[in-house]
Amino acid sequence: NAGVTQTPKFQVLKTGQSMTLQCAQDMNHNSMYWYRQDPGMGLRLIYYSASEGTTDKGEVPNGYNVSRLNKREFSLRLESAAPSQTSVYFCASSGVRGGHEQFFGPGTRLTVL
Amino acid sequence: DQQVKQNSPSLSVQEGRISILNCDYTNSMFDYFLWYKKYPAEGPTFLISISSIKDKNEDGRFTVFLNKSAKHLSLHIVPSQPGDSAVYFCAASAGGGADGLTFGKGTHLIIQP
Repeated sequence: NAGVTQTPKFQVLKTGQSMTLQCAQDMNHNSMYWYRQDPGMGLRLIYYSASEGTTDKGEVPNGYNVSRLNKREFSLRLESAAPSQTSVYFCASSGVRGGHEQFFGPGTRLTVL
Repeated sequence: DQQVKQNSPSLSVQEGRISILNCDYTNSMFDYFLWYKKYPAEGPTFLISISSIKDKNEDGRFTVFLNKSAKHLSLHIVPSQPGDSAVYFCAASAGGGADGLTFGKGTHLIIQP
């Protein structure tokens, strides 16, 4: 089992460009999450999907959209990238709604120039 | 305002001794707490957790203590090993509220030989 996979690993964008970060899990988990980590900061929740077909905003959703494509896949889209979105993005999944162990992917390092 | 605080950005401990990492929280709704370990260029990995109905949870060399009245938890690692050198994040969840975890900023643990 691969666990949680993310693509791409690295990406450089120019201001105003768009891109989609992909995430997939093979653990049959119901819930999936997107976090960002900035230097010297903890992880902050962007969006989450408690179950297939539902998505909800987290702490820092502005500038992002998400799609829960199916039970396995949860994508994060930046429609018009800004330098403030330079960060490391982590996808995670969990089998139980709220409060329990989340499994994280390896991250996508995004730089917006 | 930060709801989960790790006030020590770094901690240096001699190999074989005890490492104690501390975490404070302000949100009384948190009912589940987790510790994650993170190596550079990797995603966080789950280490140990504790429910608010308990005051201690032990797993091998790792023990987490929870003091609800003080809104404080700590992670003890005994004995500390070189492979324990990493950034440790404290995280919390309010099970009845929105899904996702609230993270502290992390403590960089350095195990000295």
